[in-house]
Amino acid sequence: QKEVEQNSGPLSVPEGAIASLNCTYSDRGSQSFFWYRQYSGKSPELIMSIYSNGDKEDGRFTAQLNKASQYVSLLIRDSQPSDSATYLCAVLVGGGATNKLIFGTGTLLAVQP
Amino acid sequence: NAGVTQTPKFQVLKTGQSMTLQCAQDMNHNSMYWYRQDPGMGLRLIYYSASEGTTDKGEVPNGYNVSRLNKREFSLRLESAAPSQTSVYFCASGLWSHEQYFGPGTRLTVT
Repeated sequence: QKEVEQNSGPLSVPEGAIASLNCTYSDRGSQSFFWYRQYSGKSPELIMSIYSNGDKEDGRFTAQLNKASQYVSLLIRDSQPSDSATYLCAVLVGGGATNKLIFGTGTLLAVQP
Repeated sequence: NAGVTQTPKFQVLKTGQSMTLQCAQDMNHNSMYWYRQDPGMGLRLIYYSASEGTTDKGEVPNGYNVSRLNKREFSLRLESAAPSQTSVYFCASGLWSHEQYFGPGTRLTVT
């Protein structure tokens, strides 16, 4: 089982709709979770971090965390064509000085005008 | 404030050649990282440095060496390049909260 799993997509949504991106992880001790956006040919860009169970909202983005189910999601409201990108889920594993981020392989989101 | 910078942006090597990828950050972060990204494999950690003077292996360290020159700079060296090292290489730096910020990447082709 991979440490961080994402559906590779593509996830296609119409402009203005809600896009829902999902991620599961295997390390029950993980405490920190991140979402990155990566446009084609560019580097990953941090868009959300979440550390506690529940929802965290930032503009059109909402991150949701359920540690009991080992599940983290990203909702994008009012999706725009400019949101079309690959979204990477990252989970912090390990402990102390050996903490490392493990990335999923990403979900490709395509927002149709 | 340039964030994380990497040089070069593109490089083509022949098998067996060596090269060093340079990375610098101006955000006063303690931690720095080198990743490679391959289609279908996601981002994989090569080496990291939790603080100046320390380096540790990540998931795929074979064939690479690193140097944390000072707090700002973290270089990645390929001593004898192989076609399997064809990839996009990203440097990142990070906060105590483990949020990481990435450089623009180096696209390396080994023929």
